[in-house]
Amino acid sequence: AQSVSQHNHHVILSEAASLELGCNYSYGGTVNLFWYVQYPGQHLQLLLKYFSGDPLVKGIKGFEAEFIKSKFSFNLRKPSVQWSDTAEYFCAVKTHGSSNTGKLIFGQGTTLQVKP
Amino acid sequence: NAGVMQNPRHLVRRRGQEARLRCSPVKGHSHVYWYRQLPEEGLKFMVYLQKENIIDESGMPKERFSAEFPKEGPSILRIQQVVRGDSAAYFCASSPGTGNPRGDEQYFGPGTRLTVT
Repeated sequence: AQSVSQHNHHVILSEAASLELGCNYSYGGTVNLFWYVQYPGQHLQLLLKYFSGDPLVKGIKGFEAEFIKSKFSFNLRKPSVQWSDTAEYFCAVKTHGSSNTGKLIFGQGTTLQVKP
Repeated sequence: NAGVMQNPRHLVRRRGQEARLRCSPVKGHSHVYWYRQLPEEGLKFMVYLQKENIIDESGMPKERFSAEFPKEGPSILRIQQVVRGDSAAYFCASSPGTGNPRGDEQYFGPGTRLTVT
């Protein structure tokens, strides 16, 4: 079955530290990849997405992610986190194929806590 | 430009009652998705609807759950005879659909937090 795995469930960093959140998926075909963020008390917002082309994708607020097809990975990075980055981060995958109907498959989420 | 609206934001029901969750998509969006988030878990797909049609309900529990997206009005997720295990956050997302360059993006609402007592 298609699945998405986020390795880190809870990450605690100090401000200015670098961030990398892991995301791996299981599907051998074409995928679209997404990172969503959910700030406390708010709804999910799209951080960045990969559809095709350059595997290094830049998103909002200084985030970027790299699609490595051979590793089935789409890790999220930020060189220097801020206290305001405290949130829950979700990796999601949309698969392409005869059974695809556009649904997103989400990882279980990573809670990031940034200490001032 | 209003985003996806969901109401109510919080809903408390006693076991055996019915829960009705509403979702108004972004204006002009014709595709609606419902997801459920159980405590300590990620979002799980439930159902995908276009106007007046259910396209994919592979994530819906077989009993007690139903969804609709009528020609006019919001999409409704209905849970009959709720049980404690239905307590979760229910998120709705909408997208413009195929033929639109941003058709693959889903825009999420704030969610409805259902508590069954």
